[in-house]
Amino acid sequence: GQNIDQPTEMTATEGAIVQINCTYQTSGFNGLFWYQQHAGEAPTFLSYNVLDGLEEKGRFSSFLSRSKGYSYLLLKELQMKDSASYLCATPRGSDKLIFGTGTRLQVFP
Amino acid sequence: NAGVTQTPKFRVLKTGQSMTLLCAQDMNHEYMYWYRQDPGMGLRLIHYSVGEGTTAKGEVPDGYNVSRLKKQNFLLGLESAAPSQTSVYFCASRLDGRQETQYFGPGTRLLVL
Repeated sequence: GQNIDQPTEMTATEGAIVQINCTYQTSGFNGLFWYQQHAGEAPTFLSYNVLDGLEEKGRFSSFLSRSKGYSYLLLKELQMKDSASYLCATPRGSDKLIFGTGTRLQVFP
Repeated sequence: NAGVTQTPKFRVLKTGQSMTLLCAQDMNHEYMYWYRQDPGMGLRLIHYSVGEGTTAKGEVPDGYNVSRLKKQNFLLGLESAAPSQTSVYFCASRLDGRQETQYFGPGTRLLVL
């Protein structure tokens, strides 16, 4: 199957670092996407990992370990505007994406 | 480029009424998708299309129909709305079969009474 698990909610303080984990069970793995979704808005693309390791994009980094079926999104120097839901998703075949239920991050001053 | 647009933005229906949600994209994308998003359930795929004239079922297709008569448009129909179809509906598109991101529309909020 392709169950995707991520924590439901997380809280953090402005300026801190937070790590959002995502685990998946799949055969035929073909990459792991991360999306950000602010309340009442559409998901927007953050990152796509297909090889093991860490990829950095400014304050956001994404890590993948294919052997462990594990990924995380690392957010540094948290800002209030980072309060949002973070969705991980993995392809099923070449046509579809299967999404996790999302992690709601609240950043407090 | 407008990207992906959806109409309407919000709609209230009575049980048993029908309606069509329209998704349009101006990026010449081959693949288009309809999702619903409910609290605690994440994004669930209803139907999708890999090209003009094609459609396929996703995870939760019951009670919905779709059509892709033109490449840029993907229509989602509810023939007889039920309260269980109260949700936020997102359309998305992707360039083609290569693993690239999907681009999402702004969503349609549907309330079925």
